[in-house]
Amino acid sequence: QSALTQPPSASGSPGQSVTFSCTGTSSDVGDYNYVSWYQQHPGKAPKLMIYEVTKRPSGVPDRFSGSRSGNTASLTVSGLQAEDEADYYCSSYAGSIKIVLFGGGTKLTVL
Amino acid sequence: EVQVLESGGGLVQPGGSLRLSCAASGFTFDGFAMNWVRQAPGKGLEWVSGISSGGSTYYADSVKGRFTISRDNSKSTLYLQMNSLRAEDTAIYFCAKDLDFFPRGFDHWGQGTLVTVSS
Repeated sequence: QSALTQPPSASGSPGQSVTFSCTGTSSDVGDYNYVSWYQQHPGKAPKLMIYEVTKRPSGVPDRFSGSRSGNTASLTVSGLQAEDEADYYCSSYAGSIKIVLFGGGTKLTVL
Repeated sequence: EVQVLESGGGLVQPGGSLRLSCAASGFTFDGFAMNWVRQAPGKGLEWVSGISSGGSTYYADSVKGRFTISRDNSKSTLYLQMNSLRAEDTAIYFCAKDLDFFPRGFDHWGQGTLVTVSS
């Protein structure tokens, strides 16, 4: 099973919005609601930002939102702030083979 | 406060073995699935293995047959027994708690323990 596909980099200015994509297949992203997004700052542990495609854990700002269309999930960060600069990873359950897949990550630069 | 703390990493020769531990606190350990996720130096995240609250186990193809995940609910501790280690297993290994069942989402992570496989 291949990893999910994410663009390696993205950028935006403070206050703008940026959207990351995460492309899988009909056997993972397109078939299960267990899609998550994680934020990771350098040298730190990942932090859960979105789970089950669209849900936000308590404490995550509503500037972060998730969605899905077909086999592609997306994370949108609106009102960009300097502290949003980090790596973002998507993950999905591949239920037919009972494994979890991660994307390669997108590095967000806040200009 | 929920905490998970990994230990057991270190330097091991190719073909060797290592056992990682993850001590959990601040939540009812036996009610939650747990996972191991690794990150090679300068690379992305890779899910390694998961275990449900009931003890069902799941593995990535890259470690199946070599790694064994287990849990001791009486000690609130998660383990990863790693055998036949290869250079490509070199990574920081994170312990990650699931929201509840596997794999709803990993909501608490430890700081990781570094495993280096080298001669």
